[in-house]
Amino acid sequence: ETGVTQSPTHLIKTRGQQVTLRCSSQSGHNTVSWYQQALGQGPQFIFQYYREEENGRGNFPPRFSGLQFPNYSSELNVNALELDDSALYLCASHQGGRSFEQYFGPGTRLTVT
Amino acid sequence: SQQGEEDPQALSIQEGENATMNCSYKTSINNLQWYRQNSGRGLVHLILIRSNEREKHSGRLRVTLDTSKKSSSLLITASRAADTASYFCATDPYLGANSKLTFGKGITLSVRP
Repeated sequence: ETGVTQSPTHLIKTRGQQVTLRCSSQSGHNTVSWYQQALGQGPQFIFQYYREEENGRGNFPPRFSGLQFPNYSSELNVNALELDDSALYLCASHQGGRSFEQYFGPGTRLTVT
Repeated sequence: SQQGEEDPQALSIQEGENATMNCSYKTSINNLQWYRQNSGRGLVHLILIRSNEREKHSGRLRVTLDTSKKSSSLLITASRAADTASYFCATDPYLGANSKLTFGKGITLSVRP
């Protein structure tokens, strides 16, 4: 088990609603990345936060947004939910500038109906 | 988009046998990492190999990297039923704080007792 936690574990939302997912990074880590993993696929990079600033973004629309707090925990917000947003959302933390290995949380399973 | 392509997509072996999984990628990398995922939960980092390395060992794991062919292989020796999981290769083109992973679709490994 890593020291990365995510909440909630599961979530069911209706199309068009908004959702906020939370991630607490491992102690000592200043960088958090978010990934979306559809069923049967590998994780896809959404964006990364380094010291409270967005530090790179994948091929996701602006309705996917994020935030990182001074304690390096992070939020992922998704507006105007679509059915295709149903997936496992993973966050991963690491110590930017010192290591490449990322430590993943257990994920949040989002179902959009 | 997926950078890595793992091969085979699924692998079934008997306990005690060796499992070999391959990964090919398309662009330049700083390092390549292998992760394991059990039952759609969080990913666990297994091993990292840098672009200037050719082979690396960690316990029962052996990873090789051929940057000229843009390919890597992961060997798990003396497999156990507990090794049953999905395995992903992930490429990282950046350094430190800009470390961002691009995953393949994964390989499903089943180890029969």
